[in-house]
Amino acid sequence: TQLLEQSPQFLSIQEGENLTVYCNSSSVFSSLQWYRQEPGEGPVLLVTVVTGGEVKKLKRLTFQFGDARKDSSLHITAAQPGDTGLYLCAGFKAAGNKLTFGGGTRVLVKP
Amino acid sequence: DAGITQSPRHKVTETGTPVTLRCHQTENHRYMYWYRQDPGHGLRLIHYSYGVKDTDKGEVSDGYSVSRSKTEDFLLTLESATSSQTSVYFCAISSGSPYEQYFGPGTRLTVT
Repeated sequence: TQLLEQSPQFLSIQEGENLTVYCNSSSVFSSLQWYRQEPGEGPVLLVTVVTGGEVKKLKRLTFQFGDARKDSSLHITAAQPGDTGLYLCAGFKAAGNKLTFGGGTRVLVKP
Repeated sequence: DAGITQSPRHKVTETGTPVTLRCHQTENHRYMYWYRQDPGHGLRLIHYSYGVKDTDKGEVSDGYSVSRSKTEDFLLTLESATSSQTSVYFCAISSGSPYEQYFGPGTRLTVT
């Protein structure tokens, strides 16, 4: 059983459509990170959210941290083929000094 | 891009043989981590280091050992490889913020 559950596991959409990826837990995290990973490469950090209710934007990507700091979402507006990849959320607990990763959401944006 | 390299990038080995994977950083970061990535399991922490000769276990440490004799190098050893250790292994580093980690390119290990 994973501490962080991501949904959906796989998402296939057409270029120009919007999509949302969810990251949920029953645990409270000090912070939450989102990474994107392309085939054959390591994950790349996109954003860190720290405060409950925080919203961060990175061009067409919007990240939100839940008020209770147990969940997060990633919304992509007008998706492009370059957004294709595996999106991973990861929660950090200061007490453990370690990251816990979700299982990932594989996004495919078709031209 | 963070200066992290992993070697080898690909390796095929037989069951029962020892294997050592190397992670090298040029950033002088304090924290280094070893993860494995498997379908359906995401990234799972094997071991991590918070300084030279300071290491600790992660959630899937059985069958693995690590060493860090220099700031820049973190070695992962499989003493006697098993087929269940077939995976993609990633090294990561972080500086003052352990939760913001930067990953290497990965090593694909196949144990036959």
